[in-house]
Amino acid sequence: EAQVTQNPRYLITVTGKKLTVTCSQNMNHEYMSWYRQDPGLGLRQIYYSMNVEVTDKGDVPEGYKVSRKEKRNFPLILESPSPNQTSLYFCASSSLTSGLYNEQFFGPGTRLTVL
Amino acid sequence: ILNVEQSPQSLHVQEGDSTNFTCSFPSSNFYALHWYRWETAKSPEALFVMTLNGDEKKKGRISATLNTKEGYSYLYIKGSQPEDSATYLCAFTGGANNLFFGTGTRLTVIP
Repeated sequence: EAQVTQNPRYLITVTGKKLTVTCSQNMNHEYMSWYRQDPGLGLRQIYYSMNVEVTDKGDVPEGYKVSRKEKRNFPLILESPSPNQTSLYFCASSSLTSGLYNEQFFGPGTRLTVL
Repeated sequence: ILNVEQSPQSLHVQEGDSTNFTCSFPSSNFYALHWYRWETAKSPEALFVMTLNGDEKKKGRISATLNTKEGYSYLYIKGSQPEDSATYLCAFTGGANNLFFGTGTRLTVIP
């Protein structure tokens, strides 16, 4: 089954404790992206990657890091989480075969709470 | 940061009614406009991606139109059903590699 998976689905942590949210897709997609969703705001893009070893900042990259060492994986790293990073996070992927702008496939979401 | 606006913010309709909502985006440097359907406790799912001015797309009772010159897209739902209740998101991309989402229109269809 074609899918995007994220782990963990729920996480409660404390300020300053480094964490990683994993994202994996099995569709051989080139493009992968991380978003955060906060009440009253649209999905905001954190980082995206066009392919292996190619990453770039989105709208709200501060406080986050990413890596793309393999095509299928795109982990989101919070080196020193703070309460303002409490949010619902989505990973998404899409194919670039017909140009950049194919539909995005979203993972199930990770609800992160930073105390 | 580009401004993508959706209206209305929320909408209640009776089962069987037809409805539509709007997505406004910058008309310069247009590349693509996406529509997604997002049910509570699930992930957003793609409805349409449109790239050409005048594009019209249809999937069952849902259709969308695109006007890139004036910077808007309409999403139409014909004969709304309770299962259409969801938040409908649009996203704009303008030639760079990132997407800008609107805040969505939350549709509730009353049986």
